[in-house]
Amino acid sequence: GENVEQHPSTLSVQEGDSAVIKCTYSDSASNYFPWYKQELGKRPQLIIDIRSNVGEKKDQRIAVTLNKTAKHFSLHITETQPEDSAVYFCAASDLSGGYQKVTFGTGTKLQVIP
Amino acid sequence: EAGVAQSPRYKIIEKRQSVAFWCNPISGHATLYWYQQILGQGPKLLIQFQNNGVVDDSQLPKDRFSAERLKGVDSTLKIQPAKLEDSAVYLCASRNPYNEQFFGPGTRLTVL
Repeated sequence: GENVEQHPSTLSVQEGDSAVIKCTYSDSASNYFPWYKQELGKRPQLIIDIRSNVGEKKDQRIAVTLNKTAKHFSLHITETQPEDSAVYFCAASDLSGGYQKVTFGTGTKLQVIP
Repeated sequence: EAGVAQSPRYKIIEKRQSVAFWCNPISGHATLYWYQQILGQGPKLLIQFQNNGVVDDSQLPKDRFSAERLKGVDSTLKIQPAKLEDSAVYLCASRNPYNEQFFGPGTRLTVL
């Protein structure tokens, strides 16, 4: 089955700096890579996703890059703000075969220091 | 659009007791997931439904966990009997046609 590793487990940055979270996956069949933000005591929320037919996707201050050859993908947050503080989860899934099984990483706790 | 609904939000039981969780997915979403999230970890898939059929339950501890989605809409997850290590947040999610998953607020289970 799929195995997703995520690093770092914790990350502290100064407000305004950039934050980068990296994930690797094991199953070369994986073709969909969502990222979720989970604030304390709340549900995970999808913030951005990328499919295997593109190498990069950007949405305002958030961007995700994908390297299929190396089987890793990264989340980039620029100009961080205190409200970006949360736990971020990467995930990998295979959309073929008629159903989607998502494997989550272990999470990165991001702290943005004002 | 209304989000994924779950109840109860919190549940405290003693070990060996039974408990059931309920989920109502977003209207029209055919795919429904139950996840277990232990404190400090990522969500772990327990079971996935497509309409009222199970498509993946490979990580469901079937000796104590069961789930159903009889009419292809609401779903229930049951634990019988509960163990201490079942203490976790149980998240329900549903998927739209664009493969985006939306999570419910979760049920926080404490087993004493």
